Amino acid sequence: DVKVTQSSRYLVKRTGEKVFLECVQDMDHENMFWYRQDPGLGLRLIYFSYDVKMKEKGDIPEGYSVSREKKERFSLILESASTNQTSMYLCASSTYGPGWNSPLHFGNGTRLTVT
Amino acid sequence: KNEVEQSPQNLTAQEGEFITINCSYSVGISALHWLQQHPGGGIVSLFMLSSGKKKHGRLIATINIQEKHSSLHITASHPRDSAVYICAVGDEKETSGSRLTFGEGTQLTVNP
Repeated sequence: DVKVTQSSRYLVKRTGEKVFLECVQDMDHENMFWYRQDPGLGLRLIYFSYDVKMKEKGDIPEGYSVSREKKERFSLILESASTNQTSMYLCASSTYGPGWNSPLHFGNGTRLTVT
Repeated sequence: KNEVEQSPQNLTAQEGEFITINCSYSVGISALHWLQQHPGGGIVSLFMLSSGKKKHGRLIATINIQEKHSSLHITASHPRDSAVYICAVGDEKETSGSRLTFGEGTQLTVNP
């Protein structure tokens, strides 16, 4: 079974802190994704990566950056955390793009609170 | 812009009932996903389909491309089916295949 592991389930940070969310997958997937999930808004794509060192902005990249130095690891960085970034963050991976019938494998999510 | 609408938003059923969750979308699609999210946050992929019907255990997913509509059915529902069910679609014009549009989800509660 594919395993996608997010480093923290719950995280509390202060406004202005730099925050790192880590995600590791063990199935040699090319594609990795970061989403945030908010009530009433569904899942929204922040960034995705289709190869090592390759990244593309999703629908809501402002205030975030990403890093993919190794194929198995995709990090989401909040450069200066703000209260409107309080959310559930979900990492996912897939062999091909999910729009081409490749299933997404999700981590358990990180619930981030910025105070 | 693709829009994905799910109905109902909330659904409460008694154990054993047949359940249907609906998903409508507005553009031509390359793929449709049904996902399940349990309390605590983890999401599991249930189905991917671009035509016809798929079955896995007590779950059945159907799609009507002409009507831009998909349904997820659960037969003989059980309290362990209680979860949020999410529909997501890939736009056929989105060449990378990396972007999905997600519905807001349907909260299902099955009472014993």
